[in-house]
Amino acid sequence: DADVTQTPRNRITKTGKRIMLECSQTKGHDRMYWYRQDPGLGLQLIYYSFDVKDINKGEISDGYSVSRQAQAKFSLSLESAIPNQTALYFCATSRLAGGDTDTQYFGPGTRLTVL
Amino acid sequence: AQSVTQLGSHVSVSEGALVLLRCNYSSSVPPYLFWYVQYPNQGLQLLLKYTSAATLVKGINGFEAEFKKSETSFHLTKPSAHMSDAAEYFCAVTSNTNAGKSTFGDGTTLTVKP
Repeated sequence: DADVTQTPRNRITKTGKRIMLECSQTKGHDRMYWYRQDPGLGLQLIYYSFDVKDINKGEISDGYSVSRQAQAKFSLSLESAIPNQTALYFCATSRLAGGDTDTQYFGPGTRLTVL
Repeated sequence: AQSVTQLGSHVSVSEGALVLLRCNYSSSVPPYLFWYVQYPNQGLQLLLKYTSAATLVKGINGFEAEFKKSETSFHLTKPSAHMSDAAEYFCAVTSNTNAGKSTFGDGTTLTVKP
């Protein structure tokens, strides 16, 4: 089974709708991240969380919110989706200490289309 | 502040030819540097990483990268390209002072011609 899972994998929605993307991990990592990927722009950090009580804005947090329900779960919400939020969204995890410190482990991505 | 520049958004090589993907970084403190690969319809996965040990780092699938502090570079190479290497490659930088956040380059798409 995959260590980092994302649901849904694909979603088409309409402008103004509320959307939630979910991420779960079985790696036991304390740190979780949400990124969006647009062609030619690499990955842009939306929000990150270093533990359940720690939530931080990234580079492009406007229009998004997050919830860290447990160490293993980190959800991203679009309160009122707009077309320029059409993108590929990735969840990632990492850990604070150990041999793979700062290495990020990515989910398979959610392709979101806002019409 | 930290940043990454990947030179060339698209690189095309013939099968069996040398692969060279360029990455330059900026960091005010000693960096940790990463190369990730993204195959179509998949998330990113780690190819290799530099954490201040050996300057020549070997990764999976025959890739390696050399950390050159004087040139602030961390270029990715592979002596002989294989068709299965076709993917998008991302360079990333982080550091102890940046609280575990990585900054990613814009990516380089590698095409391998038969």
